Amino acid sequence: GAVVSQHPSRVICKSGTSVKIECRSLDFQATTMFWYRQFPKQSLMLMATSNEGSKATYEQGVEKDKFLINHASLTLSTLTVTSAHPEDSSFYICSASLGTATYEQYFGPGTRLTVT
Amino acid sequence: KQEVTQIPAALSVPEGENLVLNCSFTDSAIYNLQWFRQDPGKGLTSLLLIQSSQREQTSGRLNASLDKSSGRSTLYIAASQPGDSATYLCASQNRDDKIIFGKGTRLHILP
Repeated sequence: GAVVSQHPSRVICKSGTSVKIECRSLDFQATTMFWYRQFPKQSLMLMATSNEGSKATYEQGVEKDKFLINHASLTLSTLTVTSAHPEDSSFYICSASLGTATYEQYFGPGTRLTVT
Repeated sequence: KQEVTQIPAALSVPEGENLVLNCSFTDSAIYNLQWFRQDPGKGLTSLLLIQSSQREQTSGRLNASLDKSSGRSTLYIAASQPGDSATYLCASQNRDDKIIFGKGTRLHILP
């Protein structure tokens, strides 16, 4: 089956630094990748939609300059949290899709970010 | 290992009817149970989250219940509308963040 990996699984960083999270589709080409985050006691919330080779589409309230998304290839998307602050501490999870017409999404295992 | 199952895989219902979507999970040691809506090619839209200590949550025409002991959750949609047509996913999450998704129920509301 389709497998999506995320790296790192956990990361602790200091305020003001930047953190990059990678999302890879291991055995298929993902035209579209999605990034979600989850705050404590809340559900997953979509942050942005990323199509290979084009700019990401951000959901309302998500700062594009703070959460940089790059989808340079059909198997890799990265999320960079720039100038991280403690309020960015969250669980970040990506998913990958084969295309715009499909329902199927394959989820990575997630990344727990803690900003101190 | 947690397994999340959604039955049926697809469902067609006339507009205006109430309906129930089912979700079952094998490991009752969950932290929460989440329901999502998915449209083709789009990201998931969160509908309801039920913490493990809760029995149900309501939002508008939607009501989700959770019975940990039987490993079941249901999503009740009242007075269905064509705009409700989508795929509905449930997902369990444990205390270590791990989220397991069901394969979804594709709902089609007939006008």
